Amino acid sequence: SYVLTQPPSVSVAPGQTARITCGGNNIGTKSVHWYQQRPGQAPVVVVYDDSDRPSGIPERFSGSNSGNAATLTISRVEAGDEADYYCQLWDSNTDQGVFGGGTKLTVL
Amino acid sequence: HLLLQESGPGLVKPSETLTLTCTVSGDSVKSSSHYWAWIRQPPGKGLEWIGSVFYTGSPYYNPSLKSRVTISIDPSKNQFSLKLTSVAAGDTSVYFCARQASRITMIVAAPFQYWGQGALVTVSS
Repeated sequence: SYVLTQPPSVSVAPGQTARITCGGNNIGTKSVHWYQQRPGQAPVVVVYDDSDRPSGIPERFSGSNSGNAATLTISRVEAGDEADYYCQLWDSNTDQGVFGGGTKLTVL
Repeated sequence: HLLLQESGPGLVKPSETLTLTCTVSGDSVKSSSHYWAWIRQPPGKGLEWIGSVFYTGSPYYNPSLKSRVTISIDPSKNQFSLKLTSVAAGDTSVYFCARQASRITMIVAAPFQYWGQGALVTVSS
């Protein structure tokens, strides 16, 4: 099955830029979605189809996808961005949804 | 305003069948634009896709669970349900129901746009 690899944790100071990667074989050929999950809450889509942003999500959240890695970039990080972030895609080769293992973003 | 609400037993004995229902309000499960899905999250761990179902057509299941999972739609009650047989301690999780976003092509690949609040199911004797 298709595997998505994320770093377990990323730390960043307020106001700086956080980058969370999601590695997968030729992931650049697939559409990647990103979710933010705060403790005790359901996940929320922050980026979909690699780089699109749902209404209501700040422009500080952006995404890119190329080669073997997709990246979620959070600019001007705020304390409220501290959460777990998951990448996810649909693998059409095996007809299944796949989540990455998740990355805990800590705002120092 | 779309709402999804999971319901079902919070405690299931090992080897028994876990059954959860997701009640949808604000949309119809007969929609031709969306898949409906179940996702779970063991305590302190990551998200796992269980399966996605469309009003017409065969559901898609996680291969690791496929032999034990059934997801079905009940349009008369505007609900969809999850059945997981032969449960074990490793099935203890928060179970989320979700609606995938609408799109024109490859709608099964759409993101999980709306989520229920989640239901904790513990497998224990």
